[in-house]
Amino acid sequence: GAVVSQHPSWVICKSGTSVKIECRSLDFQATTMFWYRQFPKKSLMLMATSNEGSKATYEQGVEKDKFLINHASLTLSTLTVTSAHPEDSSFYICSALDIFLSKKQETQYFGPGTRLLVL
Amino acid sequence: GEDVEQSLFLSVREGDSSVINCTYTDSSSTYLYWYKQEPGAGLQLLTYIFSNMDMKQDQRLTVLLNKKDKHLSLRIADTQTGDSAIYFCAESIEAGTALIFGKGTTLSVSS
Repeated sequence: GAVVSQHPSWVICKSGTSVKIECRSLDFQATTMFWYRQFPKKSLMLMATSNEGSKATYEQGVEKDKFLINHASLTLSTLTVTSAHPEDSSFYICSALDIFLSKKQETQYFGPGTRLLVL
Repeated sequence: GEDVEQSLFLSVREGDSSVINCTYTDSSSTYLYWYKQEPGAGLQLLTYIFSNMDMKQDQRLTVLLNKKDKHLSLRIADTQTGDSAIYFCAESIEAGTALIFGKGTTLSVSS
């Protein structure tokens, strides 16, 4: 089956540093990837839609200059948390759509998530 | 606006059936999903149902959809300890779009 990987799986960083999280589709191509954020005991909230070769679309309330998204190829999207602060600590999950199957409901594949802790 | 509501906790004994309920507000939702998340892990798609269906069964899982009441349920038959996890209900307006998730129901199965 389709696999989406995320790297790193967890990261601890100091306040003020930037952290890059990668989301890769391993055996399929994805023109669209989604980035979600999950707080403890909370739902997943969509942060942005990442489109290959174009600018990401951010949800209301998500700072695009703080959460930089780059989708430079059909298999890779990156989320960079710039100048991270403790309130950015969260579980970040990406999902990817298979471009050949994008009109089928089961073709959004989720990555395993990246746990970020900002000290 | 769009909103998906779930009860937060459910506790059952091994071998019993579990029923997790979900309500949604967007009547234009076309696809409704159930995902499972084990501790520290990502999301696993369990099953989904198209809005013109009333029921879908897949082995131990039964999904019931009441579109009039915007109510979705997931029944797990013969619940096992390995079923202990958080279960998320999610909706989307069309295939290939971002999902709107509920807060998740923590299922605890005791032996």
